[in-house]
Amino acid sequence: QVQLQESGPGLVKPSQTLSLTCTVSGGSISSDTYYWNWIRQPAGKGLEWIGRIYPSGSTHYNPSLMSRVTISIDTSKNQFSLKLSSVTAADTAVYYCASVGYCRGGICHKEFAFWGQGTLVTVSS
Amino acid sequence: DIHMTQSPSSLSASIGDRVTLTCRASQSIAGYLNWFQQKPGKAPKLLIYETSSLESGVPSRFSGSGSGTDFTLTISSLQPEDFGSYYCQQSHSVPLTFGGGSKVEIK
Repeated sequence: QVQLQESGPGLVKPSQTLSLTCTVSGGSISSDTYYWNWIRQPAGKGLEWIGRIYPSGSTHYNPSLMSRVTISIDTSKNQFSLKLSSVTAADTAVYYCASVGYCRGGICHKEFAFWGQGTLVTVSS
Repeated sequence: DIHMTQSPSSLSASIGDRVTLTCRASQSIAGYLNWFQQKPGKAPKLLIYETSSLESGVPSRFSGSGSGTDFTLTISSLQPEDFGSYYCQQSHSVPLTFGGGSKVEIK
């Protein structure tokens, strides 16, 4: 069973870059069985998909954030990371990493079956 | 982007009630619809994937149905632990999108 854990600063100043890391255990991040996502949720609001990365390094981003987002993968550490630049108060949210349940034969199932516990990032001076 | 609309936004029901939540997509998503339950301070939990497949460990009182643009999540007999917010999510195309949520309260 895959387990995920987010880490990173809880406070970021406006205009700076938010950086978070998700550490994966119980599975190999380089396996084509999974792909890896970032999702966020402002307090009291709904969920917003930020983007995902495949073991190959290929990415898909939400167009609403694409100009500011970079997701990368470090197979040596079994981690993937999120960078969000030029942050404002609107980027204050709980950030989750999540993975699909499994992929087989190029088809993936159980979207967001595994989640980290989430980490609150506040943008404030 | 595919827009997901959930209704109702909130409801209050009694233990044992049958509860039905609906989710409508702005365009056809075939069967690529997932349902999540979220409790305060916790990460969402996958309940139903690909419209009607029950995730392992999820009680059988939860069921999903639908196709195309209209989907439902049914709780056949509401239990005290079923309070929380429920989100639908389409995995048909990028960007992946969620509905605004339905908050279920126990009377």
